[in-house]
Amino acid sequence: EAQVTQNPRYLITVTGKKLTVTCSQNMNHEYMSWYRQDPGLGLRQIYYSMNVEVTDKGDVPEGYKVSRKEKRNFPLILESPSPNQTSLYFCASSFLQSGANVLTFGAGSRLTVL
Amino acid sequence: DQQVKQNSPSLSVQEGRISILNCDYTNSMFDYFLWYKKYPAEGPTFLISISSIKDKNEDGRFTVFLNKSAKHLSLHIVPSQPGDSAVYFCAARSFGNEKLTFGTGTRLTIIP
Repeated sequence: EAQVTQNPRYLITVTGKKLTVTCSQNMNHEYMSWYRQDPGLGLRQIYYSMNVEVTDKGDVPEGYKVSRKEKRNFPLILESPSPNQTSLYFCASSFLQSGANVLTFGAGSRLTVL
Repeated sequence: DQQVKQNSPSLSVQEGRISILNCDYTNSMFDYFLWYKKYPAEGPTFLISISSIKDKNEDGRFTVFLNKSAKHLSLHIVPSQPGDSAVYFCAARSFGNEKLTFGTGTRLTIIP
């Protein structure tokens, strides 16, 4: 089944404790992206990657890091989480092609930072 | 700066009637628009899209209308069904830019 898999789905952590949210896709997509969803703010892009070793900042990159060492994986790293990073996170991927860029999303990772 | 706006946070519609969800945008460079649907505890899923060269696109019960001069698009669902209850996100993209900019979402509730 074609899908984007995120782990963990739920996580409660404390301020300053480094964590990584993994994202993997099995569709051979070049493009991958991380979004966070917050009430009243919709989905905001954190980072994106056009291909292996190519990453760039989205709208809200502060406090996050990413890497793209393999085409299928795009982990989101919070080096020193803070309470304002409590949110619902989505990883998404798509092909790079002219016309429709239809993102396929993972099921989401709900993160709480105490 | 919210470039894609969905001004109605919620909408309730009787089953069988038409649901109309609205979306406004400010960036005139946007040339492709999409609607995503999201159920609780799931990721958003693609529903329907429209290119700026069209003013209407239809897929079964779902129709998206685009008014470029007003920078406005709408999603019509006819007839509405209980399974349509979800949060709907409008999204937009500009040519040559893979990034999708999302609106804040509208929670649609279909009343049986």
